[in-house]
Amino acid sequence: ETGVTQTPRHLVMGMTNKKSLKCEQHLGHNAMYWYKQSAKKPLELMFVYSLEERVENNSVPSRFSPECPNSSHLFLHLHTLQPEDSALYLCASSQENSGGVQGYTFGSGTRLTVV
Amino acid sequence: AQKITQTQPGMFVQEKEAVTLDCTYDTSDQSYGLFWYKQPSSGEMIFLIYQGSYDEQNATEGRYSLNFQKARKSANLVISASQLGDSAMYFCAMRDGSWGKLQFGAGTQVVVTP
Repeated sequence: ETGVTQTPRHLVMGMTNKKSLKCEQHLGHNAMYWYKQSAKKPLELMFVYSLEERVENNSVPSRFSPECPNSSHLFLHLHTLQPEDSALYLCASSQENSGGVQGYTFGSGTRLTVV
Repeated sequence: AQKITQTQPGMFVQEKEAVTLDCTYDTSDQSYGLFWYKQPSSGEMIFLIYQGSYDEQNATEGRYSLNFQKARKSANLVISASQLGDSAMYFCAMRDGSWGKLQFGAGTQVVVTP
């Protein structure tokens, strides 16, 4: 496989459920990101991991818990979500510190619905 | 403060016509990069084109070209010979600084009609 793969593509969960989103990149990149895309809002950066260490957490509620066990995998653990958390969650990766300004490669996203 | 501004929420364009999508940005850094992404209804973000702040020539990739006007801080995307498959959301994005994050504009919805 190549690129950035996200699973599942669609997820419906109740407010009391616990679920996890998975992201895997096959590009040898050293940084990974979670973005949230709600209807009619710009993409919001949630978390940044560089070399498996979290370097940024943009005031995201604690009901979202990221995990980066290695440079190829990124998880977003979800618990006790609210209906307003329904959105498209996009994972991305990039190769940092390699010279120049690098773009991100995105996955196809997980469309989450909280009921 | 919003660093990327896309003023066109939506546009209709006829097949085979060209369309220009506006993007202005704000940064005090000298080194930065500007990106355009396409997002079809399926959700994936597809990279289209990149312009570096030090690039003297406008970037081109097939039917996509970037009209980079540095002094005006604008980076408009031009899609030539539109096709039905071009119907999608288009996002302008910027990275600035040595460890700047990729920041996105609000997007422009393009609908190509036969």
